[in-house]
Amino acid sequence: DGGITQSPKYLFRKEGQNVTLSCEQNLNHDAMYWYRQDPGQGLRLIYYSQIVNDFQKGDIAEGYSVSREKKESFPLTVTSAQKNPTAFYLCASSITGHALQPQHFGDGTRLSIL
Amino acid sequence: SQQGEEDPQALSIQEGENATMNCSYKTSINNLQWYRQNSGRGLVHLILIRSNEREKHSGRLRVTLDTSKKSSSLLITASRAADTASYFCATDAQAQGAQKLVFGQGTRLTINP
Repeated sequence: DGGITQSPKYLFRKEGQNVTLSCEQNLNHDAMYWYRQDPGQGLRLIYYSQIVNDFQKGDIAEGYSVSREKKESFPLTVTSAQKNPTAFYLCASSITGHALQPQHFGDGTRLSIL
Repeated sequence: SQQGEEDPQALSIQEGENATMNCSYKTSINNLQWYRQNSGRGLVHLILIRSNEREKHSGRLRVTLDTSKKSSSLLITASRAADTASYFCATDAQAQGAQKLVFGQGTRLTINP
């Protein structure tokens, strides 16, 4: 089955620690996205990538970093500079980076502070 | 920046009734999409309506778009318990480029058996 796999499902971060969230897709999509969702809120865009080896900041990129070395993978690192990282993180992909394309989502990673 | 705003924030109806959710946005768009999110899961794409379309159907879903009022509505007919979820509209604000979708805060729909 084609889809997007996010891991882990739950993640705990200690103070001063960087953590990396995994996102893998086997849909052969060019574009991938990372969103943050706070309780009862909509999605806010962190970073997006329209093609391998290229990515752009979204609306709330501070304290986060990404890489796109392979088409199928778009890991997100939550750095110690992100002072309020507790949230639900969603990864998505689309055939191309154009907003006319529907986005396909993974089932998220819930990050909490220890 | 928030482009779409859903109304109401929460809606509770009896199974079998119709559910209507509304989305308003601020700037011109190329398309508007509706997504569903079950609790603790990712979003699922429901339907896309382009700026030159006024109405679109998919099964029990009916979406309308009024670009003059900058608003859209999602109607779910003959609701079922499985329709319980949050529903989000997303727009591609032209001013922000064609590469990004901007999501509203969602309507939380509860279908009571």
